[in-house]
This record gives sequence, C-alpha cells and structure tokens, in this order.
Amino acid sequence: KAGVTQTPRYLIKTRGQQVTLSCSPISGHRSVSWYQQTPGQGLQFLFEYFSETQRNKGNFPGRFSGRQFSNSRSEMNVSTLELGDSALYLCASSLEGRTSNEQFFGPGTRLTVL
Amino acid sequence: DQQVKQNSPSLSVQEGRISILNCDYTNSMFDYFLWYKKYPAEGPTFLISISSIKDKNEDGRFTVFLNKSAKHLSLHIVPSQPGDSAVYFCAASAKETSGSRLTFGEGTQLTVNP
Repeated sequence: KAGVTQTPRYLIKTRGQQVTLSCSPISGHRSVSWYQQTPGQGLQFLFEYFSETQRNKGNFPGRFSGRQFSNSRSEMNVSTLELGDSALYLCASSLEGRTSNEQFFGPGTRLTVL
Repeated sequence: DQQVKQNSPSLSVQEGRISILNCDYTNSMFDYFLWYKKYPAEGPTFLISISSIKDKNEDGRFTVFLNKSAKHLSLHIVPSQPGDSAVYFCAASAKETSGSRLTFGEGTQLTVNP
C-alpha cells in the first residue's frame, strides 16, 4: 500500500506570492490533516478535512486555507506569503479521523519564503 | 500557549541503556496521548499511544507511562539502539475535538551512541 505523498517536496517563493501544496492520502483514508513545523515549535495543527468538509481548524490566519476533493486528495493554499511562513508543511491521513485511528504522515513540503 | 511541552530539546544515551523522554501537558481535556518518531527528511511515524484510562502501555522495547495527576507522560526505550536516534514528539488529543487534531510538543532529539 502506497504511503502518504506530498508534492512538491521543496518550494521557494517570495513574500507576497501564494502557494498551493498537495497531499494524496493512503488509499481508503478519508481524513486528511495539515500541520506546520517550524524550528522549536513542534508541529502546529492547521486544519483537518473529512469527506470534503473542513471539520477542525487550528489558530492560523485566514491566509491559510485548504480543500479536499472527492477522492480524498487535499490541497492547502497560503496567500500573501510572509517570511514567517517558511516551514515544513506535513499532511497526515487516517481512516476516519477518530482519536484511535493512527495518523500516517507524508514526508512534507519544505517551503522557503524569501 | 504551549499545551504540550517537552522540556528537553536533546538527550544522549549509550547503546543498551535506557532512554527516558518526558512530556508535560496542561489541558485537562486531553485523554489520548501518542509518541511519534521523526527521522530527517521523513514525516513522523507513530510509535505508541496510551489512553487516559490506563497508566502504562508497552510495545516491545517501548513503554509509555501516564501520570494524570501530574499531567505528565514519559517514553521509556529499553534497550536503546543507535537506530533509535531521531526526534521524538509527544502528542495529545481531546475526544471532543473529534479525534484527529493532535497537539504536539516541541520534540526531543535522541542520540544513541554505539
């Protein structure tokens, strides 16, 4: 079974631009969550999608948005990029997003904002 | 407000000895706790979890202990192996947030020396 895939793996953008990151979950998984990892901050929860609906949202500004397609693939978008958005963006998939469902993480997209 | 804290950014142990990684939390609504391991350039991988109804869970060389009154959990690795060298993240979730939202600590870099 293929794992969680994320594209692109690396991205360099400049301030003010926007970016779209993609995540393909494990086949059969319906829940996709996104996290931002910055040095010293651990992983910060961005949002979770389940059956094409945002079910949970973290404390990030509205510049961060996402969506999920009918095949469970998910995208996240960051508009008007700031230097502080430089981070590793990880997505995780699980069967149904229940507490007991193991979350499987992708390798992440490393975003650098110049 | 860091609801999950790992106060030790790094830990170094000798091969064959015990590694003890610690984690504290402040949110009394957390009822499910997990440990993830992360190698460079890879996403975190699930290690072991514990529900708040238990105080210990064991899986091979890995044991997680939960002290609810102290809001503290720890991961014991016995015996430690060089391949265990990685960043370890403690994470917590609250059932009422519909399960998949995880709150992570900042991580502890474990180095196991041969």
